[in-house]
Amino acid sequence: QVQLQESGPGLVKPSQTLSLNCNVSGGSISSGSYYWSWLRQPAGKGLEWIGRVYFSGTTNYNPSLKSRVTMSVGSSKNQFSLKVTSVTAADTAVYYCARGYRYQLLDWGQGTLVTVSS
Amino acid sequence: EIVLTQSPGTLSLSPGERATLSCRASHSILSNSLAWYQQKPGQGPRLLIYGASSRASGIPDRFSGSGSGTDFTLTISRLEPEDFAVYYCQQYGGSSSIFTFGPGTKVDIK
Repeated sequence: QVQLQESGPGLVKPSQTLSLNCNVSGGSISSGSYYWSWLRQPAGKGLEWIGRVYFSGTTNYNPSLKSRVTMSVGSSKNQFSLKVTSVTAADTAVYYCARGYRYQLLDWGQGTLVTVSS
Repeated sequence: EIVLTQSPGTLSLSPGERATLSCRASHSILSNSLAWYQQKPGQGPRLLIYGASSRASGIPDRFSGSGSGTDFTLTISRLEPEDFAVYYCQQYGGSSSIFTFGPGTKVDIK
């Protein structure tokens, strides 16, 4: 069974860059049929899809965040990453990574809380 | 973009009862792009239903999905204690080809 685990700083200062990694175990990130997504959930609120990356490096981003987001696949590790630039308090949320196939997200990590504060 | 609305916001039921959760889309969507997830506190969501009516791997048969067009339903035939959680519907598509989620329905113990 594929498992995903998010990692990265829990506190980021305003205007700086948020960087997270997602480590994948139990399956290869190079499996061509899947894609790798990031989502977030502010406290007490719903889910927002940030975007996805394929092993080939192809990306699709939510237009609401596209100008600030970069996703990539690790070159030598079974992981993928997220960067969000110029963060504000509105970016404070639990961030999830997930494995997707076609129109659904099959497996999710447990999430990691990122707080934007000085 | 397509907006998903879920009702009710909260459903208070007892174990053993039947739960019926609704998800309505602002425009007609393809059935194969509609999914349902369960989320418990402190956990990531778990895929329950995809393609509007297909159960994901390992999901008990008390969970079922139905619907088409703009109206979709998740039914839990007999609530077990572990089923009390928040449920989200999700669709993929729209002009920007993105994933969007409904606001969720919380199923809590009456």
